[in-house]
Amino acid sequence: KQEVTQIPAALSVPEGENLVLNCSFTDSAIYNLQWFRQDPGKGLTSLLLIQSSQREQTSGRLNASLDKSSGRSTLYIAASQPGDSATYLCAVKMNRDDKIIFGKGTRLHILP
Amino acid sequence: KAGVTQTPRYLIKTRGQQVTLSCSPISGHRSVSWYQQTPGQGLQFLFEYFSETQRNKGNFPGRFSGRQFSNSRSEMNVSTLELGDSALYLCASSPNPGQENEKLFFGSGTQLSVL
Repeated sequence: KQEVTQIPAALSVPEGENLVLNCSFTDSAIYNLQWFRQDPGKGLTSLLLIQSSQREQTSGRLNASLDKSSGRSTLYIAASQPGDSATYLCAVKMNRDDKIIFGKGTRLHILP
Repeated sequence: KAGVTQTPRYLIKTRGQQVTLSCSPISGHRSVSWYQQTPGQGLQFLFEYFSETQRNKGNFPGRFSGRQFSNSRSEMNVSTLELGDSALYLCASSPNPGQENEKLFFGSGTQLSVL
């Protein structure tokens, strides 16, 4: 049974710093992995999606990497800003017809 | 293009009642999926509908049900509400369900409180 873990559960970082969020999964045979952002009381916004054959994806200040063999993904945020404060969730899918499985997220607070 | 719309935004019910939540996907999206989010369990998949057919189902009791209409709008129903059903219910729509690059577009959710 696939399990997705995100550590730490919460993180506070001064503005301007680069940071890394971690996601680990127990079964490496994934179909894809996504990183989402959730603001308080709101829905999720998809940030980056990495397909099983890909190693990384980039969008602006965000870079997500995938290492299936070690069961890990990281989300790198460069030059953090207060507007980056949110909960970041990673989610994996095992095959095209399977349900998506979410981690519990990392609550990020960027200190001005 | 309008985003995913969920109604109502907030709902308060008492134990034993039933509730119906509504989700209108982005125009042209034929797949709608539902999720329950609680502080303890996080985000959990409920079910997915595509072209009015249930495509996938999570591990929830039969009190949780859903349906999709011909215009792709979806409803989920929870009968005999329990205190533990208090949660944020999110729906998402997708233009390319099942594809490896499938993207999900989420609504803002319905916050259900069961008293």
